[in-house]
Amino acid sequence: AQKITQTQPGMFVQEKEAVTLDCTYDTSDPSYGLFWYKQPSSGEMIFLIYQGSYDQQNATEGRYSLNFQKARKSANLVISASQLGDSAMYFCAMKWTGGFKTIFGAGTRLFVKA
Amino acid sequence: DGGITQSPKYLFRKEGQNVTLSCEQNLNHDAMYWYRQDPGQGLRLIYYSQIVNDFQKGDIAEGYSVSREKKESFPLTVTSAQKNPTAFYLCASSIVGESTEAFFGQGTRLTVV
Repeated sequence: AQKITQTQPGMFVQEKEAVTLDCTYDTSDPSYGLFWYKQPSSGEMIFLIYQGSYDQQNATEGRYSLNFQKARKSANLVISASQLGDSAMYFCAMKWTGGFKTIFGAGTRLFVKA
Repeated sequence: DGGITQSPKYLFRKEGQNVTLSCEQNLNHDAMYWYRQDPGQGLRLIYYSQIVNDFQKGDIAEGYSVSREKKESFPLTVTSAQKNPTAFYLCASSIVGESTEAFFGQGTRLTVV
């Protein structure tokens, strides 16, 4: 069965520093996609970045990059130059062949300190 | 503007009552989803639909029902059989496929009083 694990319930980072949020996944399907979403206190879910299982290079989107290690089944989110507005919940998610379901991890709450 | 609209934002329900949460999208997406989020936790899938007039149970479907009569609409009914309905409910839609992200509504916070 597919599963997403986020082991960091909360993280603190100093403004302007980089931070890594961990995500490991489990699937026997060879074709899958990994996603990161941000959830501010308002509750909406905002898509940040996507990595496909066959992608050779790590995905990047502005200050967000995804450290994809396929053999270890990890897909860590790296946020560079943290900003106060980055304080939020962050969720790792996965879809697999067929693309009908998305499953989510428990999330990591990030606190950015001034 | 294209997007997903959930209503109402806040909903109060008396015990024993059914209540329906609205979700409408104008993104022309085939797939739509309902998730439940409890405080400090991740999202759990209630129901999903890949196409009009078809839907599938997710991981926690008991006590909930849905319909998909139109591509744009995917309402969720929380029935009296749901023992602990107080939660934050999120509706989402996407293009079918493992590489496509989900677009979410603003959510409905349901409280049983």
